[in-house]
Amino acid sequence: DTGVSQDPRHKITKRGQNVTFRCDPISEHNRLYWYRQTLGQGPEFLTYFQNEAQLEKSRLLSDRFSAERPKGSFSTLEIQRTEQGDSAMYLCASSYPGGRDGYTFGSGTRLTVV
Amino acid sequence: AQKVTQAQTEISVVEKEDVTLDCVYETRDTTYYLFWYKQPPSGELVFLIRRNSFDEQNEISGRYSWNFQKSTSSFNFTITASQVVDSAVYFCALRGDSSGSARQLTFGSGTQLTVLP
Repeated sequence: DTGVSQDPRHKITKRGQNVTFRCDPISEHNRLYWYRQTLGQGPEFLTYFQNEAQLEKSRLLSDRFSAERPKGSFSTLEIQRTEQGDSAMYLCASSYPGGRDGYTFGSGTRLTVV
Repeated sequence: AQKVTQAQTEISVVEKEDVTLDCVYETRDTTYYLFWYKQPPSGELVFLIRRNSFDEQNEISGRYSWNFQKSTSSFNFTITASQVVDSAVYFCALRGDSSGSARQLTFGSGTQLTVLP
């Protein structure tokens, strides 16, 4: 297993457009997380899946954001009607239950909204 | 609410110097977990260590060591004989064990470490 993969690495979009990011976790991990990181800050939690069930959502996840994890494998994060404030690095992580051995993060998708 | 404070925004050292990165945390949970991650310029967060709240034994891994002190709510990270490749942003993170916080990591704002040759 090569770790957590995220696609694309970079995305530039015009304000008002919709974007979708994909995350492929480590296959043995049943938990998957999305975080957002802005410049000079630490990552902030967005949402969490256990298998295909979305169990927690942060108040940061406005109704323009939606995440799915069909069949408990890969996950997608969609942002509708993007705004300039959505510009950030979107990080995906996966883990075993309880986060033992840590949380493995992907390299992230850097979104720029122009 | 949980909070992690990394008061040092940037640190510069010369190669071979020792450097300590500070981390102070706040939580109401009696059981919690502390983490350190390294984020090189490539952007990927690299896991360094996970420590639970009932294990205060300090840990050493090569040039890295961690000092966990529950009495001061601190989990500091020391790099001995620093190298240029250690240059990165280092994040301390906390995960509580109560409902609502048991799945998410709360990160500090990070410390940018620059090791000069």
